[in-house]
Amino acid sequence: DAMVIQNPRYQVTQFGKPVTLSCSQTLNHNVMYWYQQKSSQAPKLLFHYYDKDFNNEADTPDNFQSRRPNTSFCFLDIRSPGLGDAAMYLCATSRDPDSYEQYFGPGTRLTVT
Amino acid sequence: AQSVTQPDIHITVSEGASLELRCNYSYGATPYLFWYVQSPGQGLQLLLKYFSGDTLVQGIKGFEAEFKRSQSSFNLRKPSVHWSDAAEYFCAVTMEYGNKLVFGAGTILRVKS
Repeated sequence: DAMVIQNPRYQVTQFGKPVTLSCSQTLNHNVMYWYQQKSSQAPKLLFHYYDKDFNNEADTPDNFQSRRPNTSFCFLDIRSPGLGDAAMYLCATSRDPDSYEQYFGPGTRLTVT
Repeated sequence: AQSVTQPDIHITVSEGASLELRCNYSYGATPYLFWYVQSPGQGLQLLLKYFSGDTLVQGIKGFEAEFKRSQSSFNLRKPSVHWSDAAEYFCAVTMEYGNKLVFGAGTILRVKS
């Protein structure tokens, strides 16, 4: 089945220690998104890639970076995680920017100790 | 500014009872509307969507939603709730090229037997 895969499902990192979260997709979609969802809150868009074109949300902290080496993979890098970065990180894809429907992965739960 | 309101943070219903979850949006024109469901520790699953046409849309798992332009609402309904429906439900909208989803705060559904 075509799908969105996120690894790992659970990640523990230390305060200030860089961490990378991974997302892959078999849907061959052009757009990939990263959302942050803190406990009991709605998902919040951090940034998205349309093909290789990176689009950062205005209020996304500089601490968060992303890479998309090819169509299938997208990475979220947190350079110096703080306690406030503990959250569920959701990856999503859509076929095109105007296809409007997004497909979500299962998420990675990040804990910062 | 664009916004989505889900006025009920928690709802508890008895198994077999009917359900209605409310969603109101604030936009200048008709947006594209979605309902997603999220089980604990999981990603988001699309229940249904409205783009245009018939204002009553059918989704998966027996859910339906009705778009009412005059009330700027897109309420989710199910005639008979099952215990497995216990989860958090998010209403979301988008209007922008680039497919930025704006989520409501979510409604947590509890089902009592």
